[in-house]
Amino acid sequence: GENVEQHPSTLSVQEGDSAVIKCTYSDSASNYFPWYKQELGKRPQLIIDIRSNVGEKKDQRIAVTLNKTAKHFSLHITETQPEDSAVYFCAASIRYGGSQGNLIFGKGTKLSVKP
Amino acid sequence: NAGVTQTPKFQVLKTGQSMTLQCAQDMNHEYMSWYRQDPGMGLRLIHYSVGAGITDQGEVPNGYNVSRSTTEDFPLRLLSAAPSQTSVYFCASSYETGLNTEAFFGQGTRLTVV
Repeated sequence: GENVEQHPSTLSVQEGDSAVIKCTYSDSASNYFPWYKQELGKRPQLIIDIRSNVGEKKDQRIAVTLNKTAKHFSLHITETQPEDSAVYFCAASIRYGGSQGNLIFGKGTKLSVKP
Repeated sequence: NAGVTQTPKFQVLKTGQSMTLQCAQDMNHEYMSWYRQDPGMGLRLIHYSVGAGITDQGEVPNGYNVSRSTTEDFPLRLLSAAPSQTSVYFCASSYETGLNTEAFFGQGTRLTVV
């Protein structure tokens, strides 16, 4: 079946450094790629998303890039802060039945930002 | 505007028992789905619905049933609980499937089957 691979599974950085998380997907029909942040014991929350007609999107310290040819997309966090510590999930839209609206998730990256 | 509300937050079941996890949203979203989250496995889609009266299976549907009689509610039923169904369950909703809009998650239900 379709899948999303996410790397690394854990990432530790010093406060102020940058963090990069990479994902690859298998479904060439995927056209929507959101990133979610999940703090311990909380629900996943959307932090940024990108659609297939855009190569890059930025929101303050967070940016996402998409390479449709290579089927990979990445999350970049600059000037990391301790409150960025969480588990981050990438996702890609896939088709189940007649719907293109379902999301398949990567296995997550646990980011730790050390003060 | 409460968003997506799940009940209960915690539940312990004995093997073979049945139960229903409730999910309700007040955003008039067409699309609703159920995921399970296991350590190191990310979020896996169980069932989804693109509108009232329409449901379909996701990646891991075995052992679960769903129904969608109203736009607001999307309950998940475990017919005969098994230890392998110990997990955290999240319900999610989004405005429209075709445009792939943001999915809003409920607060989760932590289920333990003993």
